[in-house]
Amino acid sequence: AQTVTQSQPEMSVQEAETVTLSCTYDTSENNYYLFWYKQPPSRQMILVIRQEAYKQQNATENRFSVNFQKAAKSFSLKISDSQLGDTAMYFCAFIVGSNYKLTFGKGTLLTVNP
Amino acid sequence: KAGVTQTPRYLIKTRGQQVTLSCSPISGHRSVSWYQQTPGQGLQFLFEYFSETQRNKGNFPGRFSGRQFSNSRSEMNVSTLELGDSALYLCASSLQTSGYSYEQYFGPGTRLTVT
Repeated sequence: AQTVTQSQPEMSVQEAETVTLSCTYDTSENNYYLFWYKQPPSRQMILVIRQEAYKQQNATENRFSVNFQKAAKSFSLKISDSQLGDTAMYFCAFIVGSNYKLTFGKGTLLTVNP
Repeated sequence: KAGVTQTPRYLIKTRGQQVTLSCSPISGHRSVSWYQQTPGQGLQFLFEYFSETQRNKGNFPGRFSGRQFSNSRSEMNVSTLELGDSALYLCASSLQTSGYSYEQYFGPGTRLTVT
């Protein structure tokens, strides 16, 4: 079975600080893609960052970066210089190329405090 | 480019009724997926369509069905509504071309309440 585990249901961070959200996943496939999505309160789900499993280099998008450890099946998200607008539910997800469906974790509710 | 659009945004139905939700993907995207989001179960995959063909289906009863049209727009239908069908239904579109990384872009969702 393909699963995603986000072990931190809730986290909080002070504005301008750095926070890391954890994610582990399980799949027997070799060809897959990993994502972090952000869902602000009552707003649309937004793609934050993606990582191809065959790439060793960790993906970076502005203040967002990942630490991808393929052997450990770990895919954490680091948010630097946290901003109030980063307050949201963050979902870790992956897709296996052959089945076209995203498998999501339960999410981590991140609150950025002023 | 316009994003994924979903209509209606909010819907209130009574048990036993049926409902149809609509999704228009990003222009040029040929894959449309549907997900159900609830506080208890989280995000669960319903089905995925590409070029009018269902390629994958999640573990939902047969009351949940979908289709995709030649212009890539998609609809999902839920018949004989139950209270447990109350959820946010999300549609996502994907480019799905060779070498693409399968990322999906989500619409704002349809909030369905069954009373």
